[in-house]
Amino acid sequence: AQSVAQPEDQVNVAEGNPLTVKCTYSVSGNPYLFWYVQYPNRGLQFLLKYITGDNLVKGSYGFEAEFNKSQTSFHLKKPSALVSDSALYFCAVRDVGNTGFQKLVFGTGTRLLVSP
Amino acid sequence: DADVTQTPRNRITKTGKRIMLECSQTKGHDRMYWYRQDPGLGLRLIYYSFDVKDINKGEISDGYSVSRQAQAKFSLSLESAIPNQTALYFCATSDSLSNGYTFGSGTRLTVV
Repeated sequence: AQSVAQPEDQVNVAEGNPLTVKCTYSVSGNPYLFWYVQYPNRGLQFLLKYITGDNLVKGSYGFEAEFNKSQTSFHLKKPSALVSDSALYFCAVRDVGNTGFQKLVFGTGTRLLVSP
Repeated sequence: DADVTQTPRNRITKTGKRIMLECSQTKGHDRMYWYRQDPGLGLRLIYYSFDVKDINKGEISDGYSVSRQAQAKFSLSLESAIPNQTALYFCATSDSLSNGYTFGSGTRLTVV
């Protein structure tokens, strides 16, 4: 089965500094990779995805992610963090079951805390 | 109105009670999913459905059941709630995994 790992439970960064939230994946075949963000008392919101093409993917709110096949990573980045970026971030990968039904498998989440 | 609506938003129930969480969508998506979120465990799949005739168990389906009443409605039931089912529950929909999921706002369930 496909899986993703988010090695950091929490990332702390000062406002204005660059941020990175790490994600590594384990898949057979070509991966479909996603990042979602969850603000307090809200559902998960789509940030960006990698399906194919350019390894650098740009998404919502100024976030981007780089697909690195050799390192099996899909780290989320932003050049300059905002306090409002503080949230819970999930990496996810597409999993295709034996019946062909597709679903997303999520990482355990990384809490981003941006201090003023 | 939200694309994916979950009701109730919050619920406290007693051990042994039956409870139903409801999800409805206006996206027109065929695929619907129920996940639960627990701190440190991320989101885990409970059940999923490709259409009204297709229901499948996810990785943690024990203690849960579902009903796909229509393309737009997918309900999750706890037949006899227990405290370790206290969690945040999310419904999600999809038309194609290349587009990812659309999530509801979640139901926070507490079993006492």
